[in-house]
Amino acid sequence: DIQMTQSPSSLSASVGDRVTLTCRASQSVSPYLNWFQQKPGKAPKLLIYAASSLQSGVPSRFSGSASGTDFTLTISSLQPEDFASYYCQQTYSTPFTFGGGTRVEIK
Amino acid sequence: EVQLVESGGGLVQPGGALTLSCAASGFSFSSYWMHWVRQVPGKGLVWVSRINTDGSSTNYADSVKGRFTVSRDNAKNTLYLQMNSLRVEDTAMYYCAGGASGRSDYWGQGTLVTVSS
Repeated sequence: DIQMTQSPSSLSASVGDRVTLTCRASQSVSPYLNWFQQKPGKAPKLLIYAASSLQSGVPSRFSGSASGTDFTLTISSLQPEDFASYYCQQTYSTPFTFGGGTRVEIK
Repeated sequence: EVQLVESGGGLVQPGGALTLSCAASGFSFSSYWMHWVRQVPGKGLVWVSRINTDGSSTNYADSVKGRFTVSRDNAKNTLYLQMNSLRVEDTAMYYCAGGASGRSDYWGQGTLVTVSS
C-alpha cells in the first residue's frame, strides 16, 4: 500500500499568513493527488485535484504543487474560514490512502 | 443542488450486520465513481471502498475485504454498503462520496455506525 505522510500534524497561524502544508508519498503517485478541507462536524470538501487543479468554487488563495513524491498545499493569505483540518489523498492505486491530516489553528 | 444522503447507521453488536445507503440527487449518478470513506470521531479519514460507474468493478481496503460489499443501483440513484461480521474497530462515521475517476467532488453528511455489546 502507498503511505501518505503529512507534515506538520498541526500548526498555528494568523489571519493573513501564507501557509504551506506538505504531503509525501511513499512512491510515485503523480498526478493523482487530492487535497481536502474538513471543518469540525462537517464532511470533507475537495479543494485541489490532480495535484494542482483548483476545484470549482474554491478560492484562488488555495493552490497545489508537486515535486516528485512531495506535494504542497499553499494558502496564500489565511482567512478566518480556513481554520480547519486538511487531508491529502492519493488515487493512483487502491487502497486510496489518506494522509494523517494537518490541523490549522488560530495563533 | 447536489445531494448525497446516507442512512442506515446505528448501534449493532459485534458480529452483526448493517447495510448503509446513500441516495444521490442533483447530478448524473450513473456517470460517477462512488466511494465509502470512514472516520473515527476525532481521527483521520480512511478510504473503505469504491465502485465504478456500472458496478462491474469494486475495490476494498484490506481491513474490510471479505466482510463489506459495495453495490449501486443506478436506476434508483443509490449506493450501498453491506457490512457483515462487524467489529468494534468498524465504529466510525461513514461517508459516501462521488466524482470523476480519481476524484471525490461530492460528499454526504455521514452516518454513524457504532459496534458495541
